[in-house]
Amino acid sequence: QVQLVESGGGVVQSGRSLRLACSASGFTFRSFGMHWVRQPPGKGLQWVAAIWYDGTNENLADSVKGRFTISRDNSNNTLYLYMNSLRAEDTAVYYCARDRVSGSDYYGMDVWGQGTMVTVSS
Amino acid sequence: DIQLTQSPSFLSASVGDRVTISCRASQDISRYLSWYQQKPGKAPKLLISAASTLPTGVPSRFSGSGSGTEFTLTISSLQPEDFATYYCQQLISYQLTFGGGTKVEIK
Repeated sequence: QVQLVESGGGVVQSGRSLRLACSASGFTFRSFGMHWVRQPPGKGLQWVAAIWYDGTNENLADSVKGRFTISRDNSNNTLYLYMNSLRAEDTAVYYCARDRVSGSDYYGMDVWGQGTMVTVSS
Repeated sequence: DIQLTQSPSFLSASVGDRVTISCRASQDISRYLSWYQQKPGKAPKLLISAASTLPTGVPSRFSGSGSGTEFTLTISSLQPEDFATYYCQQLISYQLTFGGGTKVEIK
């Protein structure tokens, strides 16, 4: 079945780096744009980053621009989020999600992973 | 950036009630709006895309309307499984944003 599984979360000190991965299965990964969305404890959803199906366009929220990078490996059906210079306010559950329309641009997120928790400690 | 304001932020309702949630955008987003449902400890679920399109499997009691800056999510007859938090999201800009959420609780 269509599935996304995140990994790489954990506890990290402020200022350090972390890489999240999202493994996709059950669909043609290389055809769909992908997203990262986070949710701080007890708070609402925050869009973090997105990447086109072929990796030629990447978009990042202003709050993470210059610190986070999104990338994908279509040969291994994996999405990545590289997080540098982590801050306490980056503490959240991080979800990867598939865009609902194959191809370029973004149209909504129809498949979600279970999320991975990132805790940034001071 | 485009801001989305949801109202109310909290709603108490009974099974069978008709529920309406509003989402207002800070600028014209045409119909580039999605709605999501999230239950505690779970990932969000896509409820409505392009302002009014229900994905396969979403019950017909859910409906969406609006365009431009004003949007509405309606649940025609609230069911026990509908108690959750609902978020709107705009997708017209490459700074995708979510609304603050509306928590629907049992009265």
